[in-house]
Amino acid sequence: AQTVTQSQPEMSVQEAETVTLSCTYDTSESDYYLFWYKQPPSRQMILVIRQEAYKQQNATENRFSVNFQKAAKSFSLKISDSQLGDAAMYFCAYRANSGYALNFGKGTSLLVTP
Amino acid sequence: DTGVSQNPRHKITKRGQNVTFRCDPISEHNRLYWYRQTLGQGPEFLTYFQNEAQLEKSRLLSDRFSAERPKGSFSTLEIQRTEQGDSAMYLCATSFFPPLTGELFFGEGSRLTVL
Repeated sequence: AQTVTQSQPEMSVQEAETVTLSCTYDTSESDYYLFWYKQPPSRQMILVIRQEAYKQQNATENRFSVNFQKAAKSFSLKISDSQLGDAAMYFCAYRANSGYALNFGKGTSLLVTP
Repeated sequence: DTGVSQNPRHKITKRGQNVTFRCDPISEHNRLYWYRQTLGQGPEFLTYFQNEAQLEKSRLLSDRFSAERPKGSFSTLEIQRTEQGDSAMYLCATSFFPPLTGELFFGEGSRLTVL
């Protein structure tokens, strides 16, 4: 079974600063997807960024980027120039290309302070 | 069609009652998933459909839980004889298959409180 571990239950960052959220995963598959989802309070979960395991280049989406270390099975999310609207729960998720469901970590609660 | 829609958003019920949640997917999506999310946890997979076929249901939490997608469009998740431990957020998500990106699109969830 694949497991996803987020070791930081809570993180805090000041507005305009940079923060990195950690995620590790365990799998025997070689072809898979990794995701970071954002879940604001009482709102739906939305995709922040996606990484295909076969791609060596780290994915970036505006202020969001990942550090994908396949050998180490690590997938961290870096948020640059943090904004108040970035405050939310962030979930790391994994899906094998041969699989059907996303497996989620327990999440990291990000607080952004002015 | 603006996204995945779930109803009701909130449901309060007494222990032992039956509840049903509905999910209306993004119209062109053929896969539909149900997840449960308890406080402080990530979403936990329950079951999924491809069109009207339920392809995996072994992860449903007990035989009190059942799901249907009769015409391959909307889906319902029913919990019979609710227990306090069923209190959670029930999330619906949909996607294309084959996966263009592997991404799931989530609804806002249905929060269940069992008294």
